[in-house]
Amino acid sequence: AQSVSQHNHHVILSEAASLELGCNYSYGGTVNLFWYVQYPGQHLQLLLKYFSGDPLVKGIKGFEAEFIKSKFSFNLRKPSVQWSDTAEYFCAALSGGSYIPTFGRGTSLIVHP
Amino acid sequence: NAGVMQNPRHLVRRRGQEARLRCSPMKGHSHVYWYRQLPEEGLKFMVYLQKENIIDESGMPKERFSAEFPKEGPSILRIQQVVRGDSAAYFCASSPGLAGVNEQYFGPGTRLTVT
Repeated sequence: AQSVSQHNHHVILSEAASLELGCNYSYGGTVNLFWYVQYPGQHLQLLLKYFSGDPLVKGIKGFEAEFIKSKFSFNLRKPSVQWSDTAEYFCAALSGGSYIPTFGRGTSLIVHP
Repeated sequence: NAGVMQNPRHLVRRRGQEARLRCSPMKGHSHVYWYRQLPEEGLKFMVYLQKENIIDESGMPKERFSAEFPKEGPSILRIQQVVRGDSAAYFCASSPGLAGVNEQYFGPGTRLTVT
């Protein structure tokens, strides 16, 4: 069965620090990849997605993620975080031909002003 | 354009009672997914429905849980005879087509507490 691993469960940063959140998936074939963000008290929103093409994907709010097929990874990055980035971040994967995304357990990010 | 609506946002039930969670998809969306989020865990798929049809319920417990998406009205996730282990956040997501090809839009969730 497909699985998605997010190794950092809790991350605490100061404003302006750089961010990288890890995401690894287990499926070896064609895969669609997503990062969602859940701000406190709000619903999940799509940050960015990768289906094909350029492995470096740019999303909203200055986030980007890089698909590295050889490492089965899709890490999320942001060069300089802000206090407003405090949220829960979820990575998700959808294997080719499937319609049920698999989510990681999430990473809680706290940014201190 | 209203987003995905879920109600109630918070629901408290005593053990043995029934819980009904409602999800109104975005206008024009005919695909609904239900997920459960337990503390310290990610979203777990429960069921995927289209109008009047259950497409995939492989993530749903075999007993006490049921879901429907009628021709008219919201999708309903029903939990009978709730137990403490049912306490969780339940999210629904809608899309105009299959997830993966089409983006899923999530509702704010219903937080169920069983006392």
